[in-house]
Amino acid sequence: DIQMTQSPASLSASLGETVTIECLASEDIYSNLAWYQQKPGKSPQLLIYDASSLQDGVPSRFSGSESGTQYSLEINSLQSEDAATYFCQQHHDYPPTFGSGTKLEIK
Amino acid sequence: QVNLLQSGAALVKPGASVKLSCKASGYTFTDYYIHWVKQSHGKSLEWIGYINPNSGYTNYNEKFKSKATLTVDKSTNTAYMELSRLTSEDSATYYCTREVYFDYWGQGVMVTVSS
Repeated sequence: DIQMTQSPASLSASLGETVTIECLASEDIYSNLAWYQQKPGKSPQLLIYDASSLQDGVPSRFSGSESGTQYSLEINSLQSEDAATYFCQQHHDYPPTFGSGTKLEIK
Repeated sequence: QVNLLQSGAALVKPGASVKLSCKASGYTFTDYYIHWVKQSHGKSLEWIGYINPNSGYTNYNEKFKSKATLTVDKSTNTAYMELSRLTSEDSATYYCTREVYFDYWGQGVMVTVSS
């Protein structure tokens, strides 16, 4: 199975700041990566697919990028509603695998 | 609008089975695979498997092959997942979600295995 190593496990940032969350794939996944946001007691919501494509309805302050097998989610101009846990997921090969999650706290 | 409506929470005894449902609406049911994902409390997400609602073809994560059975009823646009021989390790929230990218998710159903 492809391993997705996600970092950091948690972070705290202030309103208006920019944060970056990263996922390292154990092998080439050819940009087949998605990012999800999950708030407590809610289902995950798709933010980004194919590494950098923004899902309909997702604010443009969310963006995705890649460098080799390293994938990043950047959130600009942090808002209070961005407090959540974020997961990456590869969908290049079966089984689809997820990162361990990053809990974002807004100060 | 696309909606995946899951059955309610379940409290089941060790060794028993439980069948979860996921009723789809707002799109053509047979056009998208339905996937199931497990989330143990406070932890990450594990892919269980998928079913092609058109053909009934299934693909399972090796880890869940002897645990989960996926079926569909096209007449009611409903997908099902049966979990068997339940143990405390199966206590978790289970989600159904839609292929290709998991763009729509059910609300999740919490399964608690306890005597």
